[in-house]
Amino acid sequence: AQTVTQSQPEMSVQEAETVTLSCTYDTSESNYYLFWYKQPPSRQMILVIRQEAYKQQNATENRFSVNFQKAAKSFSLKISDSQLGDTAMYFCAFMKQSTSGTYKYIFGTGTRLKVLA
Amino acid sequence: ETGVTQTPRHLVMGMTNKKSLKCEQHLGHNAMYWYKQSAKKPLELMFVYNFKEQTENNSVPSRFSPECPNSSHLFLHLHTLQPEDSALYLCASSPYGLAAYNEQFFGPGTRLTVL
Repeated sequence: AQTVTQSQPEMSVQEAETVTLSCTYDTSESNYYLFWYKQPPSRQMILVIRQEAYKQQNATENRFSVNFQKAAKSFSLKISDSQLGDTAMYFCAFMKQSTSGTYKYIFGTGTRLKVLA
Repeated sequence: ETGVTQTPRHLVMGMTNKKSLKCEQHLGHNAMYWYKQSAKKPLELMFVYNFKEQTENNSVPSRFSPECPNSSHLFLHLHTLQPEDSALYLCASSPYGLAAYNEQFFGPGTRLTVL
């Protein structure tokens, strides 16, 4: 079974500091996609960053970057220069193809991040 | 209105009630999804529709009945629910059908409480 594990239920970071959220996954597939989504309090979930497994280079989006370690099946999210607006639940997700051909996400349980002023 | 909208935002119902959740996407996407979000559990995919056709039913109890009349609208009909069905129900859509690299666009969710 393919699973996604986020071992940090809650984290906090001081404004302007850097924080890393961990995610590990389990799969036997060789090519796949990994995602980080952000769900702010009472707001819609949005995509933060996406990584294709066949790409060696780690994805970056402004202050957000990933450390993708394919052999270790690790996909951590680094947030630099944390801002109050980064306070949210962060979900790691793995995209898999089911036997029906449908692509679907397998989500982790989430990490609740609080940025402190 | 843009993006993915869901109505109602909050719903309280008894176990014998029948209600429906509505999702509408204004993005021209081809695929739509229903998820259940419960505290301290991963998001659970419930149903997937691609070009109005159901392509995935993730072993969801029959008291949840989806309907997709067109690519822009998705409903979740509820009847004889149980208290453990209380959760946040999220709708999402994606632009490229069922492609692996698809970003999903989520609605704000309906907070359902079953008494």
